[in-house]
Amino acid sequence: QVQLVESGGGVVQPGMSLRLSCAASGFTFSSYGMHWVRQAPGKGREWVAVIWYDGTQKYYADSVKGRFTISRDNSKNTLYLQMNSLTAEDTAVYYCVRCPSGTDNWYFDLWGRGTLVTVSS
Amino acid sequence: QPVLTQPPSVSGAPGQWVTISCTGSSSNFGAGYDVHWYQQLPGTAPKLLIYGNSNRPSGVPDRFSGSKSGTSASLAITGLQPEDEADYYCQSHDSSLSGSVFGGGTKLTVL
Repeated sequence: QVQLVESGGGVVQPGMSLRLSCAASGFTFSSYGMHWVRQAPGKGREWVAVIWYDGTQKYYADSVKGRFTISRDNSKNTLYLQMNSLTAEDTAVYYCVRCPSGTDNWYFDLWGRGTLVTVSS
Repeated sequence: QPVLTQPPSVSGAPGQWVTISCTGSSSNFGAGYDVHWYQQLPGTAPKLLIYGNSNRPSGVPDRFSGSKSGTSASLAITGLQPEDEADYYCQSHDSSLSGSVFGGGTKLTVL
């Protein structure tokens, strides 16, 4: 069925790195822009990053710029988020989301269940 | 603090009508960006409810409707049903942040 399944979350120490993956199935992955959105405990949702359907353009929230890298492998129907220099403020559930919009009026018509990243010493 | 402002909670009796507000600013709604709404039932992934201010994806009942005017938007739910009890979030694009922004979410309780 049409779904997104995140993996790779866990507990990591401050300053360390982690790579999240998102496996897509049931739709033509290479036709969609993909985003990462996160939600810290007790806080609202925060947009993290976007990658164009063909991987040619990537944009990041200021809070993660220079530390996180979004990428995709359309041959494997998989989205990635490489997270470096992690801090406690990065602790959150990370959601992989699909964006059908071709403009910057982004909206998200498919969400994964999320994967929890905890940054703690 | 979330960029878009929502009331923390609203409630209504079965069959009644409720609205959830979402207040933005000149860099998102006021700049012409659309509002989108999501429903999240406990323990499940968020679900797109309204996109492009007032459009319903296939399968979303017409009891749900959305609107936007100026720097404010609202989600209306008519004929409340117990299964509507969930968290509702608004979302838009912000030109000053060059990315998506969300509301803090509103918990709907069906009394």
